[in-house]
Amino acid sequence: SAVISQKPSRDICQRGTSLTIQCQVDSQVTMMFWYRQQPGQSLTLIATANQGSEATYESGFVIDKFPISRPNLTFSTLTVSNMSPEDSSIYLCSVEVGPQPTQYFGPGTRLLVL
Amino acid sequence: QKEVEQNSGPLSVPEGAIASLNCTYSDRGSQSFFWYRQYSGKSPELIMFIYSNGDKEDGRFTAQLNKASQYVSLLIRDSQPSDSATYLCAGGNNNDMRFGAGTRLTVKP
Repeated sequence: SAVISQKPSRDICQRGTSLTIQCQVDSQVTMMFWYRQQPGQSLTLIATANQGSEATYESGFVIDKFPISRPNLTFSTLTVSNMSPEDSSIYLCSVEVGPQPTQYFGPGTRLLVL
Repeated sequence: QKEVEQNSGPLSVPEGAIASLNCTYSDRGSQSFFWYRQYSGKSPELIMFIYSNGDKEDGRFTAQLNKASQYVSLLIRDSQPSDSATYLCAGGNNNDMRFGAGTRLTVKP
């Protein structure tokens, strides 16, 4: 398994501002993922972040809105840019470890945009 | 479109009963399947994984996989109120994991 931390754990932001969420893992991992989970909904994959290459975004998500950095094998950031109330959600990072593709999740960042 | 589908519930069972959670998937190439438990306000927690046809048991949990029918299930024996949560099914392969919408389980004392 993996121990994953996220910062901040929660935040309240004003419309039009940006927030950067950090994800730290206790071991080196190749694959990191960023998800969004809106209230009462399941997980929606935003992008896959590989170290040393551009993030791969899912349909409906773009780099200008959700820029991602992956400077090394234990750390990644997701920025939610030019926020609107529709961006209010829980943002989760996950990592894939083990010989089989097993994902483990961080504790999440709860974002409220006013 | 690769999809994983679950009955959203809610599923309600009495304490001590067996809770049965079901999941189907559309991608026949999927090799790995997972069950996550998510308590309200918390992140998903991995509770079971299964890769081969048949049953896999871990304590009160049994995962069942039938690749011919593209069906995965999770049985929870002797259900406890602490098992009340949303259960997410996931399936896929390296770098391509799909999650179901989750089934909300309530275990009533």
